[in-house]
Amino acid sequence: AQSVAQPEDQVNVAEGNPLTVKCTYSVSGNPYLFWYVQYPNRGLQFLLKYITGDNLVKGSYGFEAEFNKSQTSFHLKKPSALVSDSALYFCAVRDGGNSASKIIFGSGTRLSIRP
Amino acid sequence: DAGVIQSPRHEVTEMGQEVTLRCKPISGHNSLFWYRQTMMRGLELLIYFNNNVPIDDSGMPEDRFSAKMPNASFSTLKIQPSEPRDSAVYFCASSWAGSNTEAFFGQGTRLTVV
Repeated sequence: AQSVAQPEDQVNVAEGNPLTVKCTYSVSGNPYLFWYVQYPNRGLQFLLKYITGDNLVKGSYGFEAEFNKSQTSFHLKKPSALVSDSALYFCAVRDGGNSASKIIFGSGTRLSIRP
Repeated sequence: DAGVIQSPRHEVTEMGQEVTLRCKPISGHNSLFWYRQTMMRGLELLIYFNNNVPIDDSGMPEDRFSAKMPNASFSTLKIQPSEPRDSAVYFCASSWAGSNTEAFFGQGTRLTVV
């Protein structure tokens, strides 16, 4: 079975400060990890993914995420937050040992950036 | 490509009525997912298809829910009879073959059962 945990319901950061949104996962095979963002009344938009290779992956809008196998974590980061980054963020995992596995999402973290 | 297309965007129906939600995946994608989003339960996977075949429907809450994918370009999620607790936003998503690919989401259908 695969699962994702996002331990923080909400993260509050001042504009210009660095931000981190936490994610830990559990999967039986190789983890394929994803981050998505959801703006109000919209579908989820893909930000970035880790499949293999460099543990630090870069994605859209200046976001990056670091894969840590020993801690089974995939935290989302950004060096300098913008007010427009305020949204709901989801971490997701697929089982890389299955050629057509399902995508399981975490509960989401609401990111609020104050001016 | 227009992306994943869902219809209707909003649906209000009375308890006991049948509801059908529709999804057109991105052309060429062969995996399709149906999710339900609520405040209480977050984003739940209901069912997913690979090459039009249902692979895992363990997330379908009850026999009142059914999903079909008659061809590569169309899928439906049906609720019969609908109940107020089915009120949620239902998302369809599609992806290329292989687990190393991300899914693309539609705009969702907001269902309200009164």
